[in-house]
Amino acid sequence: EPEVTQTPSHQVTQMGQEVILRCVPISNHLYFYWYRQILGQKVEFLVSFYNNEISEKSEIFDDQFSVERPDGSNFTLKIRSTKLEDSAMYFCASSSGPIMNTEAFFGQGTRLTVV
Amino acid sequence: GENVEQHPSTLSVQEGDSAVIKCTYSDSASNYFPWYKQELGKRPQLIIDIRSNVGEKKDQRIAVTLNKTAKHFSLHITETQPEDSAVYFCAASERTGRRALTFGSGTRLQVQP
Repeated sequence: EPEVTQTPSHQVTQMGQEVILRCVPISNHLYFYWYRQILGQKVEFLVSFYNNEISEKSEIFDDQFSVERPDGSNFTLKIRSTKLEDSAMYFCASSSGPIMNTEAFFGQGTRLTVV
Repeated sequence: GENVEQHPSTLSVQEGDSAVIKCTYSDSASNYFPWYKQELGKRPQLIIDIRSNVGEKKDQRIAVTLNKTAKHFSLHITETQPEDSAVYFCAASERTGRRALTFGSGTRLQVQP
């Protein structure tokens, strides 16, 4: 069964450093998302991406965050200058159509720890 | 924007009993309501979903009901088993589909053998 894959599974970084989280969505999917989940809390929407541009972003997704689809397969989330409060599990998801019509498949997550 | 409230935060049942988790949403434009199961340390996985043109949907031991007038929807698990133990998240997505999902705060279900 096709899966969304994320690398790395765990990233430890120093406060102020830049990190790039990588995702390979399911190959025929066109809609891509990043969510985050702070330990013990709900899954929070960060950004959605379609047709090579951001469709929507939440208030969490400020100027420190950016997304890119550098080639036909990868979808990346960059955090420019990490803060302690960025520590969370980051999930990438993808869907073949708009989320109201099709299932969103989640990756296994990248646990980001900012020290 | 959309706000989704979920109750209870924890639920403990005996194996074989039923479990009910309830969610309310704020945006009347929302029309897609999935439920995700997340086992410890793993990714959220879709278990059932419902769209606003349907009041109830069932898949084996799992059912979801939707009341659009009251803006609430519920997950029902019958004949619970220990492997049902997980965190369950409800979510809502609005009509245009451009928006992603707004999740509830989650319910930790513990099924006691």
